[in-house]
Amino acid sequence: SQQGEEDPQALSIQEGENATMNCSYKTSINNLQWYRQNSGRGLVHLILIRSNEREKHSGRLRVTLDTSKKSSSLLITASRAADTASYFCATDAYAAGNKLTFGGGTRVLVKP
Amino acid sequence: EPEVTQTPSHQVTQMGQEVILRCVPISNHLYFYWYRQILGQKVEFLVSFYNNEISEKSEIFDDQFSVERPDGSNFTLKIRSTKLEDSAMYFCASSERGDQPQHFGDGTRLSIL
Repeated sequence: SQQGEEDPQALSIQEGENATMNCSYKTSINNLQWYRQNSGRGLVHLILIRSNEREKHSGRLRVTLDTSKKSSSLLITASRAADTASYFCATDAYAAGNKLTFGGGTRVLVKP
Repeated sequence: EPEVTQTPSHQVTQMGQEVILRCVPISNHLYFYWYRQILGQKVEFLVSFYNNEISEKSEIFDDQFSVERPDGSNFTLKIRSTKLEDSAMYFCASSERGDQPQHFGDGTRLSIL
């Protein structure tokens, strides 16, 4: 089974539009984190949401977590061309120490 | 803003050779990690390190691999007798505490010929 699967796999939007991507996971988690990766670069941490939190904001980013559905969403509002990147969710589980389990990512293309 | 730095950015090595990938974690962080990403695949956890010892390792992290914190700033991943399938991007990460965000370096692209 795969822990952390993003949906959709790819998303193409116009600058100024909102982008929403979802992440589903299978086992109980401690935290869920969202990362951005520009092509050929490292992973940039965006937001960490804990299992007892339901929503978190950071600038133009909004993350929700529904532990009953084992899912999370990342919303980027008023997107910019610079938001073009792959976005990954990563979970860490109580029984798995601090290791992160990554999903396959959503590739977002923001067209100017 | 403090960042995790990795060297080299690209390493090309003949199959069977040993490689050492280097990382300088963020200075006040206490937890260190290595992950890898094979081209087109997910980022995979390799190992976590805390208090000068391995705290967890994945099935991938077999006897071919080892980690070390040789001094107060560096954190290294050694791969002995490299294989073609070791070709991947290797990422180092660190966190202040175990339940805090992990901050990643830009990675070392390892190419085994």
